[in-house]
Amino acid sequence: KQEVTQIPAALSVPEGENLVLNCSFTDSAIYNLQWFRQDPGKGLTSLLLIQSSQREQTSGRLNASLDKSSGRSTLYIAASQPGDSATYLCAVASGTYKYIFGTGTRLKVLA
Amino acid sequence: KAGVTQTPRYLIKTRGQQVTLSCSPISGHRSVSWYQQTPGQGLQFLFEYFSETQRNKGNFPGRFSGRQFSNSRSEMNVSTLELGDSALYLCASSLTGDTSTDTQYFGPGTRLTVL
Repeated sequence: KQEVTQIPAALSVPEGENLVLNCSFTDSAIYNLQWFRQDPGKGLTSLLLIQSSQREQTSGRLNASLDKSSGRSTLYIAASQPGDSATYLCAVASGTYKYIFGTGTRLKVLA
Repeated sequence: KAGVTQTPRYLIKTRGQQVTLSCSPISGHRSVSWYQQTPGQGLQFLFEYFSETQRNKGNFPGRFSGRQFSNSRSEMNVSTLELGDSALYLCASSLTGDTSTDTQYFGPGTRLTVL
């Protein structure tokens, strides 16, 4: 049974800092992995999708890497801003038509 | 292009009642998935529909059901509500539902409170 864990559960950093969020999964047989952002009381916004054959994806200040063999993914946020404050979720597609979500990292960027 | 819409946004019900939530996917998307989000269990998959057929179902009791219409709009129903059903219910749409290629687009959710 696939399990997805995110560390840390919460993170508070000063503005401008580069930071790394971690996601680990127990079964390496995945189709892809997605990183999402969720603002309080809101739905999810897809940030990056990494296919199982890819090692990383980049979008603006965000870079996500995937190491299937070790069951890990990292989301790197460069030059963090207060507007980046949100909960970040990783989700693994390891079964047909559904995602298994991680527990989330609650990020607060201080001005 | 309009995003995924969910109605209603907020709902308050009492134990034992039933509730129906609605989700309209992005135009052209044929797959709709439903998830339940609670502080204790996080985001959990409920079920997925494609072309009016349920293709996958999560580990939820039979009180949770859904359907999809020919225009891809989907509804989920929860009967005999329990306090533990209080949650944010999210739906997501994608073109084909193929998780190996598709990006899922999530709606804002319906916040259900059971008293």
